[in-house]
Amino acid sequence: GQSLEQPSEVTAVEGAIVQINCTYQTSGFYGLSWYQQHDGGAPTFLSYNALDGLEETGRFSSFLSRSDSYGYLLLQELQMKDSASYFCASDTGGFKTIFGAGTRLFVKA
Amino acid sequence: SQTIHQWPATLVQPVGSPLSLECTVEGTSNPNLYWYRQAAGRGLQLLFYSVGIGQISSEVPQNLSASRPQDRQFILSSKKLLLSDSGFYLCAWSVPGRAHEQFFGPGTRLTVL
Repeated sequence: GQSLEQPSEVTAVEGAIVQINCTYQTSGFYGLSWYQQHDGGAPTFLSYNALDGLEETGRFSSFLSRSDSYGYLLLQELQMKDSASYFCASDTGGFKTIFGAGTRLFVKA
Repeated sequence: SQTIHQWPATLVQPVGSPLSLECTVEGTSNPNLYWYRQAAGRGLQLLFYSVGIGQISSEVPQNLSASRPQDRQFILSSKKLLLSDSGFYLCAWSVPGRAHEQFFGPGTRLTVL
């Protein structure tokens, strides 16, 4: 089957660093995307890893290890506005993207 | 720049009634288009995708259907709604060949009573 697993919730303190993990089991894997969704809003694209290693975009970084079928999203210098749900999504190389169930991040003052 | 519109924003419908949700994209041509449903606190379930006018692929067999009458218009329909059809419906587009980067509309929150 095709599935992605993420923790359901993560809590961190403002200014800290948090890592959201994602393990995947999908056929025809081409890469891993990350999306952010605030309550009541639409998902917005954050990053994409097609190759192993770390991709950095400002305070956010994303990592992929194909040999471990594993990736993570790293958020640094956490701000209250980072409180949201974060989804990893598998690029299957066709027209489909398989989404994980999402990780709800709570940032506390 | 590209924008994606969905309407209505919220909808309350009785069981057994029909449904029509519309999505339009501006500022791009020949996009891939997607319909997703999201249950409360859950991930996104792909319902349909389209790579061109009149070309629809269904991912989940159910009482919903989709149509793409124009290049940048995507419609989600049902003849008779079920209680289980309640949810947050999201339309998205991507550049062909770049399904890993999708741009989502604001969504329609549907409640079936």
